[in-house]
Amino acid sequence: KNQVEQSPQSLIILEGKNCTLQCNYTVSPFSNLRWYKQDTGRGPVSLTIMTFSENTKSNGRYTATLDADTKQSSLHITASQLSDSASYICVVSEYDYKLSFGAGTTVTVRA
Amino acid sequence: DGGITQSPKYLFRKEGQNVTLSCEQNLNHDAMYWYRQDPGQGLRLIYYSQIVNDFQKGDIAEGYSVSREKKESFPLTVTSAQKNPTAFYLCASINRDTEAFFGQGTRLTVV
Repeated sequence: KNQVEQSPQSLIILEGKNCTLQCNYTVSPFSNLRWYKQDTGRGPVSLTIMTFSENTKSNGRYTATLDADTKQSSLHITASQLSDSASYICVVSEYDYKLSFGAGTTVTVRA
Repeated sequence: DGGITQSPKYLFRKEGQNVTLSCEQNLNHDAMYWYRQDPGQGLRLIYYSQIVNDFQKGDIAEGYSVSREKKESFPLTVTSAQKNPTAFYLCASINRDTEAFFGQGTRLTVV
């Protein structure tokens, strides 16, 4: 069964600091990988997308990386802000609209 | 303003009662999905539909039913057969790039 595993489950960082979230997957065949941000009680919103041939993609202070050989991705948050407090979900797509979701990493940014 | 709308935001169900969650989209997407989210777990697929008048069971379809009479609408009924329905329910529509657009979610509580 295709799986997406994220680590850590949760983390707490001070405002202004950086952090990195990890995503390992076994999904095959692979179409693309997205990172979503989900605020509490809201639906997830897409942050970045990467296809098989892409290694890195940035969206403001968010930078995602992908190693398709090792099936690993990371999301790096630079100079964290209080508004970055949310769950970050790694989602891997197969070619037939099937999506596999990780359990998410809950990030808490403290002043 | 294109988007996907879920209603209601909060819903309370009595034991033995069926309830229906609404999901409407005006993004002209063919594919629509229902997910269930429980604390500490990834999104789990309940039902999905890739075309009008057709839908498929996901990983946890027991106790749920859906219909897809219109492209814009994909309502989910939580029946009395669902023994543990308290959860956060998310509806999504997916474009041809497999980007998922989520509604704001419905929090269902059994009272």
